[in-house]
Order: sequence, then C-alpha cells, then structure tokens
Amino acid sequence: NAGVTQTPKFQVLKTGQSMTLQCAQDMNHNSMYWYRQDPGMGLRLIYYSASEGTTDKGEVPNGYNVSRLNKREFSLRLESAAPSQTSVYFCASSDTVGGGDEKLFFGSGTQLSVL
Amino acid sequence: AQKITQTQPGMFVQEKEAVTLDCTYDTSDQSYGLFWYKQPSSGEMIFLIYQGSYDEQNATEGRYSLNFQKARKSANLVISASQLGDSAMYFCAMREHYMGRRALTFGSGTRLQVQP
Repeated sequence: NAGVTQTPKFQVLKTGQSMTLQCAQDMNHNSMYWYRQDPGMGLRLIYYSASEGTTDKGEVPNGYNVSRLNKREFSLRLESAAPSQTSVYFCASSDTVGGGDEKLFFGSGTQLSVL
Repeated sequence: AQKITQTQPGMFVQEKEAVTLDCTYDTSDQSYGLFWYKQPSSGEMIFLIYQGSYDEQNATEGRYSLNFQKARKSANLVISASQLGDSAMYFCAMREHYMGRRALTFGSGTRLQVQP
C-alpha cells in the first residue's frame, strides 16, 4: 500500500543547479499532478498530466519541466534552480473514472531549498 | 481573482467544542466539486470530505460536515467535538468540471489549534 511515493524527501541546491523530483504511484491512476506549497499561499499547481502521454501547464509552470514516463511515473525537473523555487513540492494522483468527486492522493512531499 | 478564499489564517478552539472553518469560492461553472484536506505538522495531505455542486444534502464524514450554501458560494467545514489531534492546517479546494479539468485549486489554508 505505498500509494504515491516521492523522492527525495529533502534536497538543498545551489542557484543554477538542476535536479529531478521523482514521483510514482501504484494505484493505477490516470491523472498525476505536481504542486508547490509556499507559506501562506496554499498549494499551487505547477503541471499536471491527465493521462499517460499528455502534460499541461498549471498556475506556476515557469522554471519547471515535467515528464510522464509511463502511467506510474511523473517527474518534475528544475533545469536551473533559483531561490524563488525554494518550496515544498507535492506529487499527487487521482482516478479519472467518476463524476468529478475523485480525491487526490498525495505523496509525502519534498522540501527543496535553493541557496 | 482568488478562486478559493479562506479568510481565517488561524483559529483556536477548546477541546470538545465545535468549530467552523470558512471557505468561499468563485466559479462560473455549474458543475464543480469542493474538497477539504487536513495537513498535520508532519506534512501529509489527508482528504476529509467532498461536496458536489449538485448534491442537495450537506456532506458528512464522522465528525466532519460541510455546510454548503450554493447561492452564497460558501463551503464551510464544521468539526464537531474537537480533539487535540485536530490541530493542523486545513485547506479548502475546488475542482471545476469544465473541459474535464481534474486538478484541484486550493485556498491558502486555516491553521486550527485545539486547546485542552
């Protein structure tokens, strides 16, 4: 019963470095999401993937790229990290079979600091 | 414009009392869903309750109920008989069904502290 697994849990980068956040789900969900959480601002959508092979920008996509590697995995890449990208990153997944009441299942988050 | 507004950054409640966390939303869609999530200090996001825009009755899940007032566009979370373990951040979120959107839009959250 792993659910949504994110790695790493913590990461410190220097400005300009690149890294990839990994996310995998074992619930056979079609849709996957990347959110960031900043203090006082709730969760904001970075990118989402409605199904394997598709990705779409969310509210704050600048500075990020994503890859839906297969149905299970959805990675988030920072090509050139900036201090403004210091945040907690959450991956989530949801089913798409339903009337819109499908809840999102979240990973445990990645605390990223960019110095 | 904010789609989800939570006007209470922080709330205090005495143990065993009821508390209402406010949430208002903005959408032109006729079909949408409203969610509440809890985030304890450990950081995980825990689903609490869901209300669909066409649901005629307010949703309930154990000690949680959602006071849904469609005309006022509000979806307040009511926690009855508060427990110390209810201390956490609470987020209201909305899914708009237009064009099959599946992502949720979140409010900024309310930090609830339950006092013994």
